[in-house]
Amino acid sequence: DTGVSQDPRHKITKRGQNVTFRCDPISEHNRLYWYRQTLGQGPEFLTYFQNEAQLEKSRLLSDRFSAERPKGSFSTLEIQRTEQGDSAMYLCASSFQGSNSPLHFGNGTRLTVT
Amino acid sequence: DQQVKQNSPSLSVQEGRISILNCDYTNSMFDYFLWYKKYPAEGPTFLISISSIKDKNEDGRFTVFLNKSAKHLSLHIVPSQPGDSAVYFCAGFTGNQFYFGTGTSLTVIP
Repeated sequence: DTGVSQDPRHKITKRGQNVTFRCDPISEHNRLYWYRQTLGQGPEFLTYFQNEAQLEKSRLLSDRFSAERPKGSFSTLEIQRTEQGDSAMYLCASSFQGSNSPLHFGNGTRLTVT
Repeated sequence: DQQVKQNSPSLSVQEGRISILNCDYTNSMFDYFLWYKKYPAEGPTFLISISSIKDKNEDGRFTVFLNKSAKHLSLHIVPSQPGDSAVYFCAGFTGNQFYFGTGTSLTVIP
């Protein structure tokens, strides 16, 4: 399977704990995106990388959120001091650089903060 | 600021008939537009796209139409099949970002 892979699929954590999610993009893709999706909404942009450089972050991304892509391959998204409002599906997607290159999504990590 | 809007949360269609999903946008800078399909517990899957310089793109049973003057695009599925039942998202791309609508849940009735 050469699609986008995300781990874990589900995460239940208590409020105040830190969590980290991993994304392995399609290997030929140099762009990697993180999105958040809640019920009844479309995917909401969080941040994106081109190779190892984080080029853009949403103003919705609080300082409790941090993302890395250390070698331009896999990426991690960490949420510190989780809050109940962080409960959502976190989606990773990758694409080629350039116009008309669609995003390919993983199956997401569903986070539940109790 | 919702730059892409899908005003119909749900749509039901009989098997074999045409499904038409609609999408409106406000950002005239979008370079191209995409449609995604999403099944429960899965990530969105890319379906079809259209460049902003075209007005139609077709791929099998799926056709996307773009009306730039109206800032409107639509996805036609003909004939609709029960396996098409899913949530469909439209998206616009500009400035290295993809902006998604809130989705339309399509149910194809056998």
